Amino acid sequence: GNSVTQMEGPVTLSEEAFLTINCTYTATGYPSLFWYVQYPGEGLQLLLKATKADDKGSNKGFEATYRKETTSFHLEKGSVQVSDSAVYFCALTSGNTPLVFGKGTRLSVIA
Amino acid sequence: NAGVTQTPKFRILKIGQSMTLQCTQDMNHNYMYWYRQDPGMGLKLIYYSVGAGITDKGEVPNGYNVSRSTTEDFPLRLELAAPSQTSVYFCASSYSLPQGAQDTQYFGPGTRLTVL
Repeated sequence: GNSVTQMEGPVTLSEEAFLTINCTYTATGYPSLFWYVQYPGEGLQLLLKATKADDKGSNKGFEATYRKETTSFHLEKGSVQVSDSAVYFCALTSGNTPLVFGKGTRLSVIA
Repeated sequence: NAGVTQTPKFRILKIGQSMTLQCTQDMNHNYMYWYRQDPGMGLKLIYYSVGAGITDKGEVPNGYNVSRSTTEDFPLRLELAAPSQTSVYFCASSYSLPQGAQDTQYFGPGTRLTVL
């Protein structure tokens, strides 16, 4: 079945540091891949997505590239801000199956 | 557009009580979902629906029931509440693409439920 594995947190960075959150997946067919972000006390919101191999999703300075050969979709940002502190979820869907989420990675950015 | 709305925002139940969590979306999405998120954990799918009149079980359906009589509404019913159902519940909806794949899921703000 479909599954997502993402790096365990928490991750603590200083402001302006480089961020990488690793995500690898197992899926049948040709999945679409997503990163969702959850700010404290809120629901999840889409950060970025990629629907086919070699696509790069980007939003708010975050990027992730759909790598079929390594079954990965790592999230990166060149310079994090305190406002990026949140929980980040990698997810996938394949065909008409519901989204499958990773366990989430909590990011704390300190000034 | 309001997007996905959920009521109530907070609720405390006693063991054995029942309640319905309401979820409404105004985006004309055919897919709707219910998830629970336990403290410090990821999301687990409870039930989902691919359209009015059609529902299916997710990963953790026991203790819950759903119905989908309209495109807009997808209520989640808890019967005989138990402390293990203390969690934050999120409703979500999405649109299906022509080839059957799902588009982005949009989430409501959540309902925080405590069972004592």
